[in-house]
Order: sequence, then structure tokens, then C-alpha cells
Amino acid sequence: QVQVQQWGAGLVRPSGTLSLSCAVTGASFTGNYWSWIRQSPEKGLEWIGEINHRGTANYNPSLKSRVTLSLDTSKTQFSLTVTSVTAADTAVYFCVRLRSGNFMDVWGKGTRVTVSS
Amino acid sequence: DIQMTQSPPSLSASAGESVTITCRASQDIFRYLNWYQQKPGEAPKLLIREVSDLEAGVPSRFSGSGSGTDFTFTISSLQPDDIATYYCQQFENFPLTFGGGTKVEI
Repeated sequence: QVQVQQWGAGLVRPSGTLSLSCAVTGASFTGNYWSWIRQSPEKGLEWIGEINHRGTANYNPSLKSRVTLSLDTSKTQFSLTVTSVTAADTAVYFCVRLRSGNFMDVWGKGTRVTVSS
Repeated sequence: DIQMTQSPPSLSASAGESVTITCRASQDIFRYLNWYQQKPGEAPKLLIREVSDLEAGVPSRFSGSGSGTDFTFTISSLQPDDIATYYCQQFENFPLTFGGGTKVEI
């Protein structure tokens, strides 16, 4: 059974950097895209970006200048970094398997990230 | 970006009733649409992919239809376990986008 387990800091200072990671078990990186979604009352569900096993990434243009996705194939882990955070980045962040690049069939439990001083 | 508009934002129905949610895309997305269910405090769960294909284990009372810009999601006989918020999501183009959700209550 494919599972994704996520972790990272739940509180980030304004102008700081948000970092989250996700470990994949039960599946290979190959053939799938691995994605991050965030959810806030203001914006609802928002796709942040995706990365495949080759490290090819696609980003939401609204966040592209501040977001980096990366992966460690040896550990089957992938990570999200968001720089220069503001209160607008406060949200629950989910790591997700994006099957065939189309549908999100495996979700992490979510990490609530608050941007506050 | 492709805007996804769901209606209604919320609905209340009795157990056993049929409920229908609509999702409208701001441009033609062909059949590139998925539906998710999210219960409070949980991550969304994929129910239906590509308009009408039920994920394994999803009860047959859930169904979807549509193409182009207009889509529907139906629960044929509402059960207490179906209390949740439902979202549509398009994958015709980047960025992937979601509807605003429909909260279903009994």
C-alpha cells in the first residue's frame, strides 16, 4: 500500500523559509509525479507544483518565484521550500502522489503551517 | 488559469435522497476532471477520475458525468457517512485548479 508521510516546521517567521518533506513508502518514484497542495480558508485548495523522478518540476505561476521542489531518490523523499513567506502562506500543506500527472490518489495527513512572528 | 466554479456552496438533504453538485469550468476541459471528498480534519480522498471512473472501493451510489465545461456529481442515496465537502479538479492545463467545494450535510 502506497503511503506518504510528511513532516516539517509548523511555525515560520514572516520573511522566513517554509520547508516540508515527504517520505514515500510502497511505491517507486518512477512513473509518477509527486506534488504539494495547500489549503486555506481564503484560497481553498491550491496546487503548488509537481516533480517527477527525473527531477523535472512544474510550478504554479502564482508561487513559482518562491517555490522549489526537490527529491532524494535514494530515500524516496521529496521536499518543498517556500521562501519569503507571509501570512498569506499560512495553510495546511499536503504532499500527494499525482498519478499519471492527472489525479491525486495518495495524500499525506497534512501539516498545518502558520506564518507568524 | 482555468477557474472551476461549484454550486451550490452547501446543501442539506435527508438520508436516502439524491444530491447533485455541479462544476463549471471557465474553458473547455474536455473530460479532464476529477472529484474528491474531504471529511473534517482529513485529507481529500479521490472518488472519481476523468469525469466518471470510480476509484476502487468507492460505493456505486457516487457517479459523475459531463464534458467540456459542465459537469455533475451525484450521490444517488445519501448516507450519513457521505457528510463531507466535495471538490472538483481539472487537469486539462497547468496550474491544476480546484473548485471552491460543496459542503453536504444531512
